Amino acid sequence: NAGVTQTPKFRILKIGQSMTLQCAQDMNHNYMYWYRQDPGMGLKLIYYSVGAGITDKGEVPNGYNVSRSTTEDFPLRLELAAPSQTSVYFCASSFGQGGQPQHFGDGTRLSIL
Amino acid sequence: AQTVTQSQPEMSVQEAETVTLSCTYDTSESDYYLFWYKQPPSRQMILVIRQEAYKQQNATENRFSVNFQKAAKSFSLKISDSQLGDAAMYFCASQINFGNEKLTFGTGTRLTIIP
Repeated sequence: NAGVTQTPKFRILKIGQSMTLQCAQDMNHNYMYWYRQDPGMGLKLIYYSVGAGITDKGEVPNGYNVSRSTTEDFPLRLELAAPSQTSVYFCASSFGQGGQPQHFGDGTRLSIL
Repeated sequence: AQTVTQSQPEMSVQEAETVTLSCTYDTSESDYYLFWYKQPPSRQMILVIRQEAYKQQNATENRFSVNFQKAAKSFSLKISDSQLGDAAMYFCASQINFGNEKLTFGTGTRLTIIP
């Protein structure tokens, strides 16, 4: 099993550009998450989804959008990149409730210049 | 709101020795879970150990064990027989068994293993 796959691994954007971070999981997990990790900090939740067609905001959603058209895929969209969005982005998935451990992708390092 | 605090930004330990990483948390919920995740330089987030709050017994996974003090809201990680491969950032996290099941992370402890 591939687990959670994130692409790309690294990206440099100019201010104002847009891009989509891809996330796919092959474990048939219902719950999927996007976190960001700023230097010296823990991960903070951007958006999450509890199933196909259902998404909701986390702690830091401003400047991002998501969609969940299939169980497997959960892309994160940055519409107008800003320097404050320079971070490492992690996608994660889990079966759902009951303290199920989240499985993480390898992360995407994104720099906005 | 959930909060997780790791008061030790950095720790170091001699290879083969034992080290304890501290974590305190705050929650008003009664049904929750606690985790330790390891993040090596490769950036992966690797689950180390999981504790169910309703279980009094401390979780163990090989050389890793926790000291879960529910009343004190403390959840420390003990690493025995430290190995060079244990060098990493360690994050403590809490998860409420309700709703989105999101993880709330601490700021991490960087562990260095001294050969």
